[in-house]
Amino acid sequence: EAEVAQSPRYKITEKSQAVAFWCDPISGHATLYWYRQILGQGPELLVQFQDESVVDDSQLPKDRFSAERLKGVDSTLKIQPAELGDSAMYLCASSLVAGTYGETQYFGPGTRLLVL
Amino acid sequence: DAKTTQPNSMESNEEEPVHLPCNHSTISGTDYIHWYRQLPSQGPEYVIHGLTSNVNNRMASLAIAEDRKSSTLILHRATLRDAAVYYCILKETSGSRLTFGEGTQLTVNP
Repeated sequence: EAEVAQSPRYKITEKSQAVAFWCDPISGHATLYWYRQILGQGPELLVQFQDESVVDDSQLPKDRFSAERLKGVDSTLKIQPAELGDSAMYLCASSLVAGTYGETQYFGPGTRLLVL
Repeated sequence: DAKTTQPNSMESNEEEPVHLPCNHSTISGTDYIHWYRQLPSQGPEYVIHGLTSNVNNRMASLAIAEDRKSSTLILHRATLRDAAVYYCILKETSGSRLTFGEGTQLTVNP
């Protein structure tokens, strides 16, 4: 069964350093999402891509976060500089067709970030 | 986004049915009810969705109240592997955004 791949699975960094997370969606999925999940809370959408274009980045802290999906396949989420409050799980999800009632999002295992 | 209300936690015994409630009194006519679950140390996974009629699939059943202000996710025979956080989410027909609440932490006792 096809899965969403993410790397690294765990990342420890120091405050003010740069970090990057990578996501490879299920083949053929045009829509890709990045979520952030703080411990004890549900995931929160950061950014949504349709192919290589950003559809929704209203919740992305643009002063320090950036996301790209240059060829409309895999994607990178970057934080520069990292802050203590960025410690969280970063989840990537993909879906075949966005915006339909039955759209199912498939999530990867996540990258757990700890900022010291 | 319309809001859902779920109990923080529930417990069940293995091989018994589990009914997970969700209240969504402000649901609009175009909102679909989606359920996802998140097993420990994993990303969320889709469980089921519905609009007005009750729905069944291999994982669970979804019972939707006639006025659509509440719904219940039914696991017919809980297993230890069903221990997870269950999220009830209202999804607009034309939108992609999933707005997660805090969900219900289900504990399954052997």
